Amino acid sequence: QQQVKQSPQSLIVQKGGISIINCAYENTAFDYFPWYQQFPGKGPALLIAIRPDVSEKKEGRFTISFNKSAKQFSLHIMDSQPGDSATYFCAASMRVGNEKLTFGTGTRLTIIP
Amino acid sequence: EAGVAQSPRYKIIEKRQSVAFWCNPISGHATLYWYQQILGQGPKLLIQFQNNGVVDDSQLPKDRFSAERLKGVDSTLKIQPAKLEDSAVYLCASSLGGGPREQYFGPGTRLTVT
Repeated sequence: QQQVKQSPQSLIVQKGGISIINCAYENTAFDYFPWYQQFPGKGPALLIAIRPDVSEKKEGRFTISFNKSAKQFSLHIMDSQPGDSATYFCAASMRVGNEKLTFGTGTRLTIIP
Repeated sequence: EAGVAQSPRYKIIEKRQSVAFWCNPISGHATLYWYQQILGQGPKLLIQFQNNGVVDDSQLPKDRFSAERLKGVDSTLKIQPAKLEDSAVYLCASSLGGGPREQYFGPGTRLTVT
């Protein structure tokens, strides 16, 4: 019940295209859903996050779509660029005071020219 | 603002040896986390500190792993004795705690056990 399932495992998108990564969770106690971006040799860095009281959040080219009833959320990267090539992790955490992140398995995104 | 510092960046040891990792969180961050990231997987929380106290160590293999956070600032994670399956990147993260959720990760220590 603590798992966060992420797909696809890898994704190749042409420059300028839309990259879409999906995650699903079981535990309804999760109330914070961040996406992290990780480059080789670096630690993960927060990209964008959403709480379940909204269905969508947009920051620049990055959008999170959230479906509370389906217990699913997704990351959309518009106008994908080669610099977006990285591994993306979805995650979830519960109430303040126990903010440990449960991560998905990661998606390796490659943007080709 | 300086980020989360970790050392060493790389470590190679033989099985049954011991190893220690060090983390210096962002100044003022009350909460500190140690994660284990096995190649091809997402990070898995090992232990969470709030100031000096342990909040969650449910996934820490306590027969071989130990961690401490003296004076509520720096932290060390120790493995003794190491096993082959401990080969992973060990990530330290910190957050303000008590509300803001963003966790800031260090670059990690890549451990190889041979």
